[in-house]
Amino acid sequence: GDSVTQMEGPVTLSEEAFLTINCTYTATGYPSLFWYVQYPGEGLQLLLKATKADDKGSNKGFEATYRKETTSFHLEKGSVQVSDSAVYFCALSKAAGNKLTFGGGTRVLVKP
Amino acid sequence: KAGVTQTPRYLIKTRGQQVTLSCSPISGHRSVSWYQQTPGQGLQFLFEYFSETQRNKGNFPGRFSGRQFSNSRSEMNVSTLELGDSALYLCASSLTSGGADTQYFGPGTRLTVL
Repeated sequence: GDSVTQMEGPVTLSEEAFLTINCTYTATGYPSLFWYVQYPGEGLQLLLKATKADDKGSNKGFEATYRKETTSFHLEKGSVQVSDSAVYFCALSKAAGNKLTFGGGTRVLVKP
Repeated sequence: KAGVTQTPRYLIKTRGQQVTLSCSPISGHRSVSWYQQTPGQGLQFLFEYFSETQRNKGNFPGRFSGRQFSNSRSEMNVSTLELGDSALYLCASSLTSGGADTQYFGPGTRLTVL
């Protein structure tokens, strides 16, 4: 079946550091790929998405490129802030239906 | 636009009881999906409803059921609660049932089973 694997956390960084969270997937066909973020005590918020190979999703300084050849969708941000501390989830969805398959989540802690 | 709302936000039940959770989607959204979040299993898909019909179902026992009303509001029911059902239950809404649609999540209902 479909699956998403992302690096385990926690990832601890200093403010203004570069952030990378690796995400790889296994799926048949051409899934859409998503990054969601969850702040403490809240639901999930969409951070960015890409719906086809080589698409780049971007939002709030975060970027991720859909790489079909390596089945990856790594999340990057050039300069993190304390407010970026959260849990980040990589997910995929197939063409029909709204079933999201999530990775295990990566907790990021940014220290001032 | 108001976001996805879920009620109640917190619930405490005992083993063997049943529970009903409610989700009101964003106005105009016709698809509602439910997810269970636990520390051990992470985020797992329960089911999706679109135009009052179950569109997809995850790998959960029959104790977990749901429905959707004509106004797109959705409920999920868990019967004969077990300790392992303690979790954060999230619902998400989207405009249609296409896989590329953005799903907007509610704040969740935290269920504790004693």
